Amino acid sequence: GQNIDQPTEMTATEGAIVQINCTYQTSGFNGLFWYQQHAGEAPTFLSYNVLDGLEEKGRFSSFLSRSKGYSYLLLKELQMKDSASYLCAVMDSNYQLIWGAGTKLIIKP
Amino acid sequence: GAVVSQHPSWVICKSGTSVKIECRSLDFQATTMFWYRQFPKQSLMLMATSNEGSKATYEQGVEKDKFLINHASLTLSTLTVTSAHPEDSSFYICSARGPDRDTGELFFGEGSRLTVL
Repeated sequence: GQNIDQPTEMTATEGAIVQINCTYQTSGFNGLFWYQQHAGEAPTFLSYNVLDGLEEKGRFSSFLSRSKGYSYLLLKELQMKDSASYLCAVMDSNYQLIWGAGTKLIIKP
Repeated sequence: GAVVSQHPSWVICKSGTSVKIECRSLDFQATTMFWYRQFPKQSLMLMATSNEGSKATYEQGVEKDKFLINHASLTLSTLTVTSAHPEDSSFYICSARGPDRDTGELFFGEGSRLTVL
């Protein structure tokens, strides 16, 4: 079956760096997405990786290793507003998005 | 970026009534839109894929007669929850692929929170 695994919850300190991991097993691969979702709101797009390596966008970076079925989202210089759930999603061979359960990130002062 | 608008944001209805939720792509044409449901503290669950001019494709376990989807134009898809019951109370979110198909990026509506009394 298809499976996306990511930690349920993580806690980090304001100003620090946190890495959220995602491992996947899917039928085919057409890219991996990271979305941010604040409580009660719709998800917003953060990143898309389809080739191996690191993609950097300001304070956020996303890494992909297709051979390992692994990705991580790196958040630097954490701010209180970064407290949210972070969703990992993989597009399979049928171009369907398979969603992880999300990682709730709690930022403490 | 591309904008997807969803309406209404909040709706409260009595058990047994039907509720319609609209999803519009404001500045691009979306041949395909997706409808999700999200229960508290859970991830998004894809309900169905809405295709303009044809029948929606429903995920396993989703009742197509209960969740009616109409994608009548390239900018509008609607989800109607028929004969709603309290267990249908949830956060319903639509999304559409942006105009740049190479990225596969999905743009989400604001979501509609349905409470069935």
